Amino acid sequence: GENVEQHPSTLSVQEGDSAVIKCTYSDSASNYFPWYKQELGKGPQLIIDIRSNVGEKKDQRIAVTLNKTAKHFSLHITETQPEDSAVYFCAASGSGGATNKLIFGTGTLLAVQP
Amino acid sequence: EAQVTQNPRYLITVTGKKLTVTCSQNMNHEYMSWYRQDPGLGLRQIYYSMNVEVTDKGDVPEGYKVSRKEKRNFPLILESPSPNQTSLYFCASSLGDRSYEQYFGPGTRLTVT
Repeated sequence: GENVEQHPSTLSVQEGDSAVIKCTYSDSASNYFPWYKQELGKGPQLIIDIRSNVGEKKDQRIAVTLNKTAKHFSLHITETQPEDSAVYFCAASGSGGATNKLIFGTGTLLAVQP
Repeated sequence: EAQVTQNPRYLITVTGKKLTVTCSQNMNHEYMSWYRQDPGLGLRQIYYSMNVEVTDKGDVPEGYKVSRKEKRNFPLILESPSPNQTSLYFCASSLGDRSYEQYFGPGTRLTVT
């Protein structure tokens, strides 16, 4: 089955700097790769996603890149702000019978220092 | 407002005392799922449901039960909770049919002593 690895587990940056979180996946059949942001005391919330027919997607200060050959995808946050501090999860769509299954990475705690 | 609700938000119980965590969504989603979140392990799927009366095991189903009698509700049942089920639980829903975007509830913090 699909396995998703996420690095780093913690990341501390200065306000205004960029942050990059990387994930690798194992199943070449996966075709959907979302990123979720989890603020303290809340459930994960989708912030950006990418499908396998696209190499890059941007939404204001956040972007996701996908390299299908290498089976890795990354989240890029530019001009970080204190409100970006949260846990970020990557995920990949699972294969097999569960057509809506997502396999999640282990999360990255991002701390933006003012 | 489109949302997924969970109750209770916090629960402390003792080993062996049956409990139910409720989950409800108002988006007419077909797919619903339960996850547990543990430090260093991320979100792991417990059970999922593709539609009413259709449920199946996820990656960590041992010690849990679910039911899907109505489209909007997907309760998680722990018949005999044990301390290793102490965790943060999330319910999620999505439209279905390869619409992967999942909407998460606010979470239920469960402690089993």
